[in-house]
Amino acid sequence: QVQLVQSGPEVKKPGASVKVSCGASGSTFGDYYMHWLRQAPGQGLEWMGWINPNNGDTNSGQKFQGRVTLTRDTSSTTVYVDLSRLRSDDTAVYYCARAGPVDGLPGPFPIWGPGTMVTVSS
Amino acid sequence: EIVLTQSPGTLSLSPGESATLSCRASQSVSSSYLAWYQQKPGQAPRLFIYDASSRATGIPDRFSGSGSGTDFTLTISRLEPEDFAVYYCHQYDTSPRTFGQGTKVEIK
Repeated sequence: QVQLVQSGPEVKKPGASVKVSCGASGSTFGDYYMHWLRQAPGQGLEWMGWINPNNGDTNSGQKFQGRVTLTRDTSSTTVYVDLSRLRSDDTAVYYCARAGPVDGLPGPFPIWGPGTMVTVSS
Repeated sequence: EIVLTQSPGTLSLSPGESATLSCRASQSVSSSYLAWYQQKPGQAPRLFIYDASSRATGIPDRFSGSGSGTDFTLTISRLEPEDFAVYYCHQYDTSPRTFGQGTKVEIK
Protein backbone atom coordinates (compact mmCIF):
# COMPACT_ATOMS: atom_id res chain seq x y z
CA GLN A 1 0.00 0.00 0.00
CA VAL A 2 1.62 3.24 -1.18
CA GLN A 3 1.67 6.07 1.33
CA LEU A 4 2.90 9.63 1.03
CA VAL A 5 4.10 11.38 4.17
CA GLN A 6 4.58 15.14 4.16
CA SER A 7 6.49 17.48 6.45
CA GLY A 8 4.79 19.58 9.09
CA PRO A 9 3.18 23.04 8.96
CA GLU A 10 5.28 26.10 8.26
CA VAL A 11 4.93 29.79 9.06
CA LYS A 12 7.05 32.13 6.97
CA LYS A 13 7.46 35.84 6.49
CA PRO A 14 6.92 37.49 3.09
CA GLY A 15 10.04 37.24 0.96
CA ALA A 16 11.28 34.08 2.64
CA SER A 17 11.46 30.57 1.15
CA VAL A 18 9.82 27.33 2.22
CA LYS A 19 10.75 23.74 1.47
CA VAL A 20 8.14 21.01 1.87
CA SER A 21 9.00 17.32 1.71
CA CYS A 22 7.02 14.27 0.63
CA GLY A 23 8.27 10.79 1.40
CA ALA A 24 7.00 7.76 -0.49
CA SER A 25 6.81 4.28 0.97
CA GLY A 26 5.49 1.02 -0.38
CA SER A 27 6.26 1.59 -4.02
CA THR A 28 9.14 1.76 -6.46
CA PHE A 29 10.11 5.40 -6.03
CA GLY A 30 11.42 6.06 -9.51
CA ASP A 31 8.55 4.51 -11.43
CA TYR A 32 5.92 7.23 -11.06
CA TYR A 33 5.77 10.97 -11.63
CA MET A 34 5.30 12.99 -8.48
CA HIS A 35 3.33 16.20 -8.66
CA TRP A 36 2.85 19.17 -6.37
CA LEU A 37 -0.43 21.03 -6.01
CA ARG A 38 -1.76 23.60 -3.61
CA GLN A 39 -5.07 24.82 -2.28
CA ALA A 40 -5.54 28.26 -0.75
CA PRO A 41 -8.05 28.49 2.12
CA GLY A 42 -11.57 28.03 0.80
CA GLN A 43 -10.33 27.84 -2.79
CA GLY A 44 -9.86 25.19 -5.46
CA LEU A 45 -6.89 23.10 -6.48
CA GLU A 46 -3.90 24.55 -8.33
CA TRP A 47 -1.27 22.45 -10.05
CA MET A 48 2.34 23.54 -9.51
CA GLY A 49 4.57 21.03 -11.29
CA TRP A 50 5.97 17.53 -11.50
CA ILE A 51 9.24 15.69 -11.06
CA ASN A 52 10.40 12.41 -12.56
CA PRO A 53 12.05 10.78 -9.52
CA ASN A 54 13.96 8.44 -11.81
CA ASN A 55 16.07 11.08 -13.56
CA GLY A 56 15.18 14.36 -11.84
CA ASP A 57 13.47 15.94 -14.85
CA THR A 58 10.96 18.59 -13.84
CA ASN A 59 8.21 20.73 -15.29
CA SER A 60 6.38 23.53 -13.55
CA GLY A 61 3.50 25.81 -14.33
CA GLN A 62 4.34 29.14 -15.89
CA LYS A 63 2.90 30.94 -12.87
CA PHE A 64 5.58 29.40 -10.65
CA GLN A 65 8.58 29.42 -12.98
CA GLY A 66 11.49 31.24 -11.43
CA ARG A 67 10.13 30.73 -7.91
CA VAL A 68 9.68 26.97 -7.59
CA THR A 69 12.31 24.25 -7.44
CA LEU A 70 11.41 20.56 -7.49
CA THR A 71 14.02 18.08 -6.31
CA ARG A 72 14.28 14.51 -5.14
CA ASP A 73 16.49 12.37 -2.92
CA THR A 74 16.52 8.83 -4.22
CA SER A 75 18.27 7.47 -1.14
CA SER A 76 15.38 8.54 1.10
CA THR A 77 12.67 8.23 -1.59
CA THR A 78 11.62 11.81 -0.89
CA VAL A 79 10.62 14.64 -3.18
CA TYR A 80 10.72 18.30 -2.29
CA VAL A 81 9.14 21.55 -3.39
CA ASP A 82 10.97 24.77 -2.64
CA LEU A 83 9.04 28.00 -3.15
CA SER A 84 10.94 31.28 -2.88
CA ARG A 85 10.00 34.97 -2.52
CA LEU A 86 6.88 34.03 -0.63
CA ARG A 87 3.84 36.32 -0.69
CA SER A 88 0.71 36.31 1.41
CA ASP A 89 -1.22 34.70 -1.45
CA ASP A 90 1.10 31.68 -1.25
CA THR A 91 -0.71 30.77 1.97
CA ALA A 92 -2.17 27.36 1.18
CA VAL A 93 -2.15 23.65 1.84
CA TYR A 94 0.54 22.08 -0.32
CA TYR A 95 -0.06 18.53 -1.53
CA CYS A 96 2.16 16.00 -3.21
CA ALA A 97 0.41 13.44 -5.39
CA ARG A 98 1.58 10.40 -7.30
CA ALA A 99 0.54 10.22 -10.92
CA GLY A 100 1.10 7.80 -13.76
CA PRO A 101 4.22 5.78 -14.58
CA VAL A 102 7.19 7.61 -16.04
CA ASP A 103 7.20 5.30 -19.05
CA GLY A 104 3.45 5.25 -19.58
CA LEU A 105 0.46 7.35 -20.54
CA PRO A 106 -0.63 10.46 -18.63
CA GLY A 107 -2.50 9.62 -15.48
CA PRO A 108 -4.62 11.26 -12.80
CA PHE A 109 -3.73 11.45 -9.10
CA PRO A 110 -4.82 8.27 -7.32
CA ILE A 111 -2.56 8.82 -4.32
CA TRP A 112 -2.21 12.05 -2.35
CA GLY A 113 -0.19 13.15 0.62
CA PRO A 114 -2.08 14.54 3.62
CA GLY A 115 -1.05 18.11 2.82
CA THR A 116 1.22 20.66 4.48
CA MET A 117 -0.14 24.02 5.62
CA VAL A 118 2.13 26.91 4.71
CA THR A 119 1.20 30.28 6.18
CA VAL A 120 2.86 33.45 4.91
CA SER A 121 2.37 36.33 7.29
CA SER A 122 4.35 39.28 8.59
CA GLU B 1 -4.22 26.20 -20.98
CA ILE B 2 -7.46 24.26 -20.78
CA VAL B 3 -10.00 26.04 -18.59
CA LEU B 4 -12.52 23.76 -16.89
CA THR B 5 -15.85 25.27 -15.87
CA GLN B 6 -18.03 23.31 -13.46
CA SER B 7 -21.74 23.79 -12.92
CA PRO B 8 -23.65 24.28 -10.82
CA GLY B 9 -21.54 25.82 -8.08
CA THR B 10 -23.74 24.28 -5.41
CA LEU B 11 -26.24 21.46 -5.58
CA SER B 12 -28.73 21.13 -2.70
CA LEU B 13 -30.22 17.66 -2.59
CA SER B 14 -31.65 15.13 -0.17
CA PRO B 15 -30.26 11.67 0.52
CA GLY B 16 -31.64 9.18 -1.98
CA GLU B 17 -31.85 11.75 -4.79
CA SER B 18 -29.57 11.80 -7.83
CA ALA B 19 -26.94 14.43 -8.63
CA THR B 20 -25.68 15.53 -12.04
CA LEU B 21 -22.48 17.56 -12.10
CA SER B 22 -21.15 19.17 -15.27
CA CYS B 23 -17.61 20.01 -16.35
CA ARG B 24 -17.04 21.93 -19.57
CA ALA B 25 -13.59 22.36 -21.10
CA SER B 26 -12.43 25.39 -23.09
CA GLN B 27 -10.93 23.03 -25.68
CA SER B 28 -11.17 19.34 -26.41
CA VAL B 29 -9.65 16.98 -23.85
CA SER B 30 -7.90 14.27 -25.86
CA SER B 31 -8.34 10.61 -25.04
CA SER B 32 -10.85 11.61 -22.38
CA TYR B 33 -8.06 12.36 -19.92
CA LEU B 34 -10.58 13.75 -17.48
CA ALA B 35 -10.89 12.80 -13.81
CA TRP B 36 -13.24 13.58 -10.94
CA TYR B 37 -12.21 13.93 -7.30
CA GLN B 38 -14.20 14.19 -4.09
CA GLN B 39 -12.92 16.37 -1.28
CA LYS B 40 -14.22 16.64 2.26
CA PRO B 41 -13.19 19.39 4.71
CA GLY B 42 -9.70 18.94 6.08
CA GLN B 43 -8.92 16.05 3.75
CA ALA B 44 -6.92 15.58 0.58
CA PRO B 45 -8.91 15.02 -2.60
CA ARG B 46 -9.79 11.42 -3.44
CA LEU B 47 -9.86 10.09 -7.00
CA PHE B 48 -13.31 8.83 -7.99
CA ILE B 49 -13.36 8.71 -11.79
CA TYR B 50 -10.52 8.67 -14.35
CA ASP B 51 -10.39 8.52 -18.13
CA ALA B 52 -13.83 10.18 -18.04
CA SER B 53 -15.77 7.04 -17.15
CA SER B 54 -13.62 4.54 -15.23
CA ARG B 55 -14.24 4.18 -11.50
CA ALA B 56 -11.20 4.23 -9.26
CA THR B 57 -10.54 1.39 -6.85
CA GLY B 58 -13.20 1.07 -4.17
CA ILE B 59 -15.62 3.61 -5.65
CA PRO B 60 -19.24 2.39 -5.53
CA ASP B 61 -21.15 1.93 -8.75
CA ARG B 62 -23.65 4.68 -7.89
CA PHE B 63 -20.91 7.00 -9.19
CA SER B 64 -20.60 7.17 -12.97
CA GLY B 65 -18.74 9.43 -15.37
CA SER B 66 -19.48 10.17 -18.97
CA GLY B 67 -18.62 12.54 -21.77
CA SER B 68 -15.89 13.31 -24.25
CA GLY B 69 -14.37 16.24 -26.06
CA THR B 70 -15.40 19.32 -24.11
CA ASP B 71 -18.41 18.13 -22.09
CA PHE B 72 -18.20 15.75 -19.16
CA THR B 73 -20.64 14.68 -16.48
CA LEU B 74 -20.42 13.03 -13.08
CA THR B 75 -23.65 11.36 -11.99
CA ILE B 76 -24.33 10.21 -8.46
CA SER B 77 -27.42 8.08 -8.16
CA ARG B 78 -29.10 7.54 -4.78
CA LEU B 79 -27.06 10.01 -2.72
CA GLU B 80 -25.75 8.58 0.53
CA PRO B 81 -24.89 10.81 3.54
CA GLU B 82 -21.16 10.31 2.89
CA ASP B 83 -21.49 11.65 -0.68
CA PHE B 84 -22.08 15.24 0.41
CA ALA B 85 -18.80 16.97 -0.39
CA VAL B 86 -17.06 19.08 -3.02
CA TYR B 87 -16.30 17.51 -6.39
CA TYR B 88 -13.59 18.70 -8.77
CA CYS B 89 -12.96 17.78 -12.38
CA HIS B 90 -9.37 17.67 -13.60
CA GLN B 91 -7.79 17.34 -17.03
CA TYR B 92 -4.46 15.58 -17.42
CA ASP B 93 -4.30 15.84 -21.21
CA THR B 94 -2.12 18.92 -21.50
CA SER B 95 0.22 20.98 -19.39
CA PRO B 96 -0.53 22.85 -17.25
CA ARG B 97 -2.85 20.39 -15.60
CA THR B 98 -5.99 22.22 -14.58
CA PHE B 99 -8.99 21.78 -12.31
CA GLY B 100 -12.51 23.06 -12.30
CA GLN B 101 -13.52 25.39 -9.51
CA GLY B 102 -15.58 22.66 -7.82
CA THR B 103 -19.23 21.78 -7.23
CA LYS B 104 -20.44 21.51 -3.67
CA VAL B 105 -23.10 18.87 -3.10
CA GLU B 106 -24.88 19.83 0.10
CA ILE B 107 -27.73 18.37 2.10
CA LYS B 108 -31.01 20.11 1.44
